[in-house]
This record gives sequence, C-alpha cells and structure tokens, in this order.
Amino acid sequence: DIVMTQSPDSLAVSLGERATINCKSSQSVLLSSNNKNYLSWYQQKPGQPPKLLIHWASTRESGVPDRFSGSGSGTDFTLTISSLQAEDVAVYYCQQYASTARSFGQGTKVEIK
Amino acid sequence: QVQLQESGPGLVKPSQTLSLTCIVSGGSISSGGSYWSWIRQPPGKGLEWIAYIYYSGSTSYNPSLKSRVTISVDTSKNQFSLELSSVTAADTAVYYCVREEWSCANGVCSGQFDPWGQGTLVTVSS
Repeated sequence: DIVMTQSPDSLAVSLGERATINCKSSQSVLLSSNNKNYLSWYQQKPGQPPKLLIHWASTRESGVPDRFSGSGSGTDFTLTISSLQAEDVAVYYCQQYASTARSFGQGTKVEIK
Repeated sequence: QVQLQESGPGLVKPSQTLSLTCIVSGGSISSGGSYWSWIRQPPGKGLEWIAYIYYSGSTSYNPSLKSRVTISVDTSKNQFSLELSSVTAADTAVYYCVREEWSCANGVCSGQFDPWGQGTLVTVSS
C-alpha cells in the first residue's frame, strides 16, 4: 500500500503571503503508460466534506482560484497558495489514486497568522 | 445530480459489527464509470479511505482494515453497504459514502471523490 505523508501538520501564514504544503508518497504515483501523476489535493473546511482542488498533481479543477497550484512528480508533491485569503483557512489533504487501495495524507491545517 | 445518503445506527457496542448503507439517488449505481467508496474521519482527525466497490461487485480494501471490512452493492435498490466487524473505540468516526467518478480526456482518465454524503457519526461505546 502507498503511504502519503504531508508536511507540515499545520502552518500559519499572513494574509496575502504564500503557503506551501508538501506531500510525499512511499511509492511513485506516476503512471508510465500516460506520464500522469495520480495525485489529488482536497480542501476541507469545518463541518463540510472535502472539495477537490487539483488532480493529476497540477491540473486545477474548474472554478478553483488560480492562486492554488500543484507541482511535483513521482513521489514528491507541493500545493502552493500564492496569496493566502481568509477563505482559504482549511485542512488540505493529498490523495493518491495510483493504487487500487486509495490513501490520503494526514492533512495540513492552514491558519491565518 | 447524484446524491448520497448514509443510514445506520449511531451507536455500536465494542466487539460488535458496524453496518451502514448508502442510498444513491439522482443516478444509477450501475451506469458504470464510478467506484462507490466509504471514507471515515475520526473526530478532529484526518480522512481514512476504507474501501470501494464497482457495480459489478469488484472491490478494493484498505489493507489495514481488510480483515474486518465487507463492502457490498445492491444494484436493484441502488445502494451499497459497509460492514466493519469487531469494532473498538478507535472506530468512532464520521463515516462518509462517496462516489469516485472517473472521467477521461484524450484517452487519459482521472478519478475524483465527488459527491460526498453528509456523513454519519458512529460512536463505539458500551
């Protein structure tokens, strides 16, 4: 099974500043057949189910602000919020779907400093 | 659009079996292109994927829970179910039923968990 490890567990960033979340997988989630990384990022606000932000490691979902970006390949990935807004306070999860046994990172809580 | 609704007891005694059902409305579970999953979240903690099932009956399980979990589908009722045996307090969580929808573009496919049920809190306590 693929274990997903995020860092840090939490971070506090000033409004307008950059927030960076890292995600590392225990095995590569890059599929050689199509050169796609089977990794998604989800945002979960209190009392709500998670919302998909990014799939294929870097493809933003329709309607997701362009301040959210994903990067990385193989086993190391990053979610960047370029200019933190108040509405971005949430817990962020990476998730792999390369393996039939899906798995999530433990989550990173983003707060305002 | 597709909606999911969990149902089942909110309180289960230790060592017993937790049983939940997810009713799917607004679309057919047999239409293909989607896996039907259970995901849980202990209070104040992160997400844990439990299992998925395809309408044909094909399944996949979280290795850490596999020995205690059974997922099943009833296409005639448009629902799928979860059983988790020998529960302990560590199994206390909000349990979500979720569709993992696969979509393809230019021959390359991707899956996303959407929609989610509202979630049901299951507490394991005597």
